[in-house]
Amino acid sequence: RKEVEQDPGPFNVPEGATVAFNCTYSNSASQSFFWYRQDCRKEPKLLMSVYSSGNEDGRFTAQLNRASQYISLLIRDSKLSDSATYLCVVIPYGQNFVFGPGTRLSVLP
Amino acid sequence: DVKVTQSSRYLVKRTGEKVFLECVQDMDHENMFWYRQDPGLGLRLIYFSYDVKMKEKGDIPEGYSVSREKKERFSLILESASTNQTSMYLCASSPRGGNHEQYFGPGTRLTVT
Repeated sequence: RKEVEQDPGPFNVPEGATVAFNCTYSNSASQSFFWYRQDCRKEPKLLMSVYSSGNEDGRFTAQLNRASQYISLLIRDSKLSDSATYLCVVIPYGQNFVFGPGTRLSVLP
Repeated sequence: DVKVTQSSRYLVKRTGEKVFLECVQDMDHENMFWYRQDPGLGLRLIYFSYDVKMKEKGDIPEGYSVSREKKERFSLILESASTNQTSMYLCASSPRGGNHEQYFGPGTRLTVT
């Protein structure tokens, strides 16, 4: 089983839709979590950290479920500019970043 | 604004050539990383460094080496390039500590023929 798994998609959604991605991880000692965004042919950039209590940044909400070992990202009111690949990042205790393979989102007009 | 730069956006090399990929960051970050990114596999860590002259193997170090002679510069070396090293190479940096955001360079698309 891979350390971090994501549905590769693509998720094709109309503008204004709500879309959710999940990411599962296998190392129960993981302590920190992030979502990164990567545009086509560009470098990954931090979208948001994921806190135990869940956190929201505008239209984006991230949640962590330690018992089931998954994190989620919810995007409300999707915009064309949200089209990108979303990378889940898990940091096991004392280790480096572990990236998921990414989920591709296409928001359609 | 953090800036991480990489020496080339696109590179084409022949099998057996020695290849140097350079990365420079301007934020005085202690940590620097080299990843490769392949479709369906995500980013995989090749080597990292927490300080000048220091280097540690990542998950896939075979066929690669690194050099960090100055804090701002981290070089990735392919001693004898092979076709299975055709990939996107991404450099990243972050402040000291393990949980900080990593800032990425624009990447180098290397093709080995």
